[in-house]
Amino acid sequence: EPEVTQTPSHQVTQMGQEVILRCVPISNHLYFYWYRQILGQKVEFLVSFYNNEISEKSEIFDDQFSVERPDGSNFTLKIRSTKLEDSAMYFCASRPGQGPNQPQHFGDGTRLSIL
Amino acid sequence: ILNVEQSPQSLHVQEGDSTNFTCSFPSSNFYALHWYRWETAKSPEALFVMTLNGDEKKKGRISATLNTKEGYSYLYIKGSQPEDSATYLCALDSGNTPLVFGKGTRLSVIA
Repeated sequence: EPEVTQTPSHQVTQMGQEVILRCVPISNHLYFYWYRQILGQKVEFLVSFYNNEISEKSEIFDDQFSVERPDGSNFTLKIRSTKLEDSAMYFCASRPGQGPNQPQHFGDGTRLSIL
Repeated sequence: ILNVEQSPQSLHVQEGDSTNFTCSFPSSNFYALHWYRWETAKSPEALFVMTLNGDEKKKGRISATLNTKEGYSYLYIKGSQPEDSATYLCALDSGNTPLVFGKGTRLSVIA
């Protein structure tokens, strides 16, 4: 069964450094998402992407964050100048359409640790 | 701000016991409700997407019901097994907005 893949599985970075988290959504899916979960808290929406542009973003998704779909298969999340509070699990998800019976399919996540 | 609540936060049951837990959501913003099963170090796995009031869906020993008028869904596990141990997440889909997740119910099944 096709699946969403994320790399790396774990990223350790010094505060202030830039990180890029990579995702390969399922190939025929059209809608892409990034979520994060800080330890012990809810899964939080960051951004959704459709038709090569951001369709919605949360308050968390400020100027230090950006997303890109550079080549039609990868979907990346860049954090420009990481802060300690960016430490979290970051999940990518995709779905084929936005019909009511279509779940989002999640990757295994990237654990980001900021030192 | 939409709020999705799940209870209990965690649950320990003996192997063979049946169990259930709750997801509550604002009924005025309903489009669909998603249930996910999330094992540690794995991706959340879609269990059910529920759309109609009174819906009941089943997958093996796991089933779910939906009440959109009062804003809740129950997830039931019959005859729990150790491999059912996971966090069960529900998420409210309001249509053209992102999923809003509950905090999850962490289930531990003791052999």
